[in-house]
Amino acid sequence: KQEVTQIPAALSVPEGENLVLNCSFTDSAIYNLQWFRQDPGKGLTSLLLIQSSQREQTSGRLNASLDKSSGRSTLYIAASQPGDSATYLCAVRLPNNAGNMLTFGGGTRLMVKP
Amino acid sequence: KAGVTQTPRYLIKTRGQQVTLSCSPISGHRSVSWYQQTPGQGLQFLFEYFSETQRNKGNFPGRFSGRQFSNSRSEMNVSTLELGDSALYLCASSSQLGAGDLMNTEAFFGQGTRLTVV
Repeated sequence: KQEVTQIPAALSVPEGENLVLNCSFTDSAIYNLQWFRQDPGKGLTSLLLIQSSQREQTSGRLNASLDKSSGRSTLYIAASQPGDSATYLCAVRLPNNAGNMLTFGGGTRLMVKP
Repeated sequence: KAGVTQTPRYLIKTRGQQVTLSCSPISGHRSVSWYQQTPGQGLQFLFEYFSETQRNKGNFPGRFSGRQFSNSRSEMNVSTLELGDSALYLCASSSQLGAGDLMNTEAFFGQGTRLTVV
């Protein structure tokens, strides 16, 4: 059974700092991995999608890397801002009856202080 | 292009009642998945529909059911509500064209329906 773990569960940093969020998964047979952002009480916003054959993806100040063999992904946020405060979730898509199902980590709650 | 729309946004129901939640996917998307989010269990997969057929089902009791219509809109139903069903229910749509496209498949989520059972 695939398990996805995110460490740390919570993180507080001063504005302007660069930071790294971690995601690990137990089964390397994934199709892809997605990073999401969730604001309190809201839905999930897709940030980056990395296919299993890719090593990294970038969008603005965000950079996500994937090391499938070691079962790890990182989300790098450059020059953090208070508006980045949210919960960040990673999810992997598995080969499961050719279906479309995501297995999520528990999330990292990020607070960026002005 | 409109995003994923879930209705209603908030619901309060009494134990034993049933509830129906609705999800309209992004235009052109044929895959709709449902997830339950609670503080204790995090995000858990309920089921997925693709072209009106349930393709995957998570580990939830039979009280949780769903369906998908020909226009890809989906509904999920929870019967005989329990206090533990209180959660944020999230719907995701994807543009997967077929079984071989999963590597490119990206999920887009709606704002969710907050269900409170009292």
